[in-house]
Amino acid sequence: AQSVTQPDIHITVSEGASLELRCNYSYGATPYLFWYVQSPGQGLQLLLKYFSGDTLVQGIKGFEAEFKRSQSSFNLRKPSVHWSDAAEYFCAVAPSSNTGKLIFGQGTTLQVKP
Amino acid sequence: GAGVSQSPSNKVTEKGKDVELRCDPISGHTALYWYRQSLGQGLEFLIYFQGNSAPDKSGLPSDRFSAERTGGSVSTLTIQRTQQEDSAVYLCASSSGLAGGTDTQYFGPGTRLTVL
Repeated sequence: AQSVTQPDIHITVSEGASLELRCNYSYGATPYLFWYVQSPGQGLQLLLKYFSGDTLVQGIKGFEAEFKRSQSSFNLRKPSVHWSDAAEYFCAVAPSSNTGKLIFGQGTTLQVKP
Repeated sequence: GAGVSQSPSNKVTEKGKDVELRCDPISGHTALYWYRQSLGQGLEFLIYFQGNSAPDKSGLPSDRFSAERTGGSVSTLTIQRTQQEDSAVYLCASSSGLAGGTDTQYFGPGTRLTVL
């Protein structure tokens, strides 16, 4: 069965430092991969998605992610974190091209230190 | 334009009662999804509607859960005989339905359900 693993439940970084959130997936075919962010009291918002082409994808708010098939990973990165980036981040996979139903990872909570 | 809206924002009910949760998708979106977010289970898919096709109900946890979508727009998620383990935030999302698995889903703010 398809699954998504986010190994880090909680990460703390200093403002201005770089960030990498890990995501590993288990899926046989070419996956459709997404990163969503959920800020306190806010709904889920799409940061970026990958389904084909260039394996480095750019998203909103200065985020990027790299698809590595050999490692079954889709890690999210940001060169310099801002205090407003504190939120919960979810990696997700759409297991089929025929349905948009998403399978989510457990989420990583990002805390930003001043 | 307006995003996905859900009502009520909060619902407190007693064990054994039925509840209805409503979702208004973005106008023109043909695909609609329900998810559940709980502390123990994370974000789980519940059900997916696409146009006039039969819904994908594969994520519904029991037969106490059902959902309908009237006129291809508004959707109602019904939970019968609520149990304490049903306490969660219920999220609705919609998408254009044009791109299947690559569609961007737009999420509503959720309904927080508490079963006492």
